Amino acid sequence: AQTVTQSQPEMSVQEAETVTLSCTYDTSENNYYLFWYKQPPSRQMILVIRQEAYKQQNATENRFSVNFQKAAKSFSLKISDSQLGDTAMYFCAFMIPGAGSYQLTFGKGTKLSVIP
Amino acid sequence: SAVISQKPSRDICQRGTSLTIQCQVDSQVTMMFWYRQQPGQSLTLIATANQGSEATYESGFVIDKFPISRPNLTFSTLTVSNMSPEDSSIYLCSVETGPKAFFGQGTRLTVV
Repeated sequence: AQTVTQSQPEMSVQEAETVTLSCTYDTSENNYYLFWYKQPPSRQMILVIRQEAYKQQNATENRFSVNFQKAAKSFSLKISDSQLGDTAMYFCAFMIPGAGSYQLTFGKGTKLSVIP
Repeated sequence: SAVISQKPSRDICQRGTSLTIQCQVDSQVTMMFWYRQQPGQSLTLIATANQGSEATYESGFVIDKFPISRPNLTFSTLTVSNMSPEDSSIYLCSVETGPKAFFGQGTRLTVV
């Protein structure tokens, strides 16, 4: 079974600063996808960034980037130039594609607060 | 991408009653997923719904408690039956394209 661990229940960052959220996972599979989702108070789950395990290059999306260390099974999210709208729960998630199933396994989440 | 409309957005229900949550997608998708998010917790998959077949339930979830319908490729419903306060949660539907998962806005259910 796959597991996803987020060791930081809560974090805070000053507006315009940079923050890194940690995520580790455990799997024996070689082909998989990793995701970071954001859930603001509105409850909407929003996809922030996706990483394919077969790609060595770290994914980036504007102010969001990941540090993917496959051997260490680590997948951290870096948010640069933090904005008040980044305040949310952040969930790391794992997916193994195959047999038509795309089930996500989620970590417990990190509550991020951006301080003005 | 996919746009998902989920309703109701919230409801307060009496124990022993049932609530049906609807999920409408703006495109045809093979599989739809239903998740539960208990207060302060992460998401837990309830079941996977394929059009034209029985839903597949995860361990700890049964069809009698959470019946699911999937009448076509753009629509699904989840019913929470014979509710108790322990069913108070956010329920989310999700679809996958690409592979990327997209979510509805969630239904906040409070059982009193």
